[in-house]
Amino acid sequence: KAGVTQTPRYLIKTRGQQVTLSCSPISGHRSVSWYQQTPGQGLQFLFEYFSETQRNKGNFPGRFSGRQFSNSRSEMNVSTLELGDSALYLCASSLAVGGTNEKLFFGSGTQLSVL
Amino acid sequence: TQLLEQSPQFLSIQEGENLTVYCNSSSVFSSLQWYRQEPGEGPVLLVTVVTGGEVKKLKRLTFQFGDARKDSSLHITAAQPGDTGLYLCAGARNYGQNFVFGPGTRLSVLP
Repeated sequence: KAGVTQTPRYLIKTRGQQVTLSCSPISGHRSVSWYQQTPGQGLQFLFEYFSETQRNKGNFPGRFSGRQFSNSRSEMNVSTLELGDSALYLCASSLAVGGTNEKLFFGSGTQLSVL
Repeated sequence: TQLLEQSPQFLSIQEGENLTVYCNSSSVFSSLQWYRQEPGEGPVLLVTVVTGGEVKKLKRLTFQFGDARKDSSLHITAAQPGDTGLYLCAGARNYGQNFVFGPGTRLSVLP
């Protein structure tokens, strides 16, 4: 069974640009979560989608948005990039949302550098 | 302020030594998970604990969930270089809520 696939693996952008990251979950998984990981803040929750609906949202500005398609693939978009948006963006998929035994399966991430 | 605190932040030990890392919070969690992340990769789930006082073993790794479900520990016996990585704890406070992650313990096991 293929794992969680994130593309692209690396991305370099300049301030003010926008970026779209893609995540393909494990086949059969309907929940996709996005996290931002930085050395200073660790893993910070961005949002979670289940069956094309956003179920939970973290404390990030409106420049960060996401969506999920009918095939469970998800994209996140960051508009008007700032230097502080440089981070590893991780996507995780799971079978369902919110169960106490929910297991998150992470992709390898997209390393975004904003210059 | 982090909802989950982890200690120590960094740990460097020799192969064969034992170690314990901790995950603490002032909040109660319905479940708590431990992940290991290696450079250039995403975190990989090691274990989920859901019952206060629960102990789970995974080969040389022993995980314990505190009685009050506010803290957890990970003990590694006879550490090996392959155990090197960032150990993250993550907790869900209630059903339907997302998992929040601690800042992690970066472990280095030297041969």
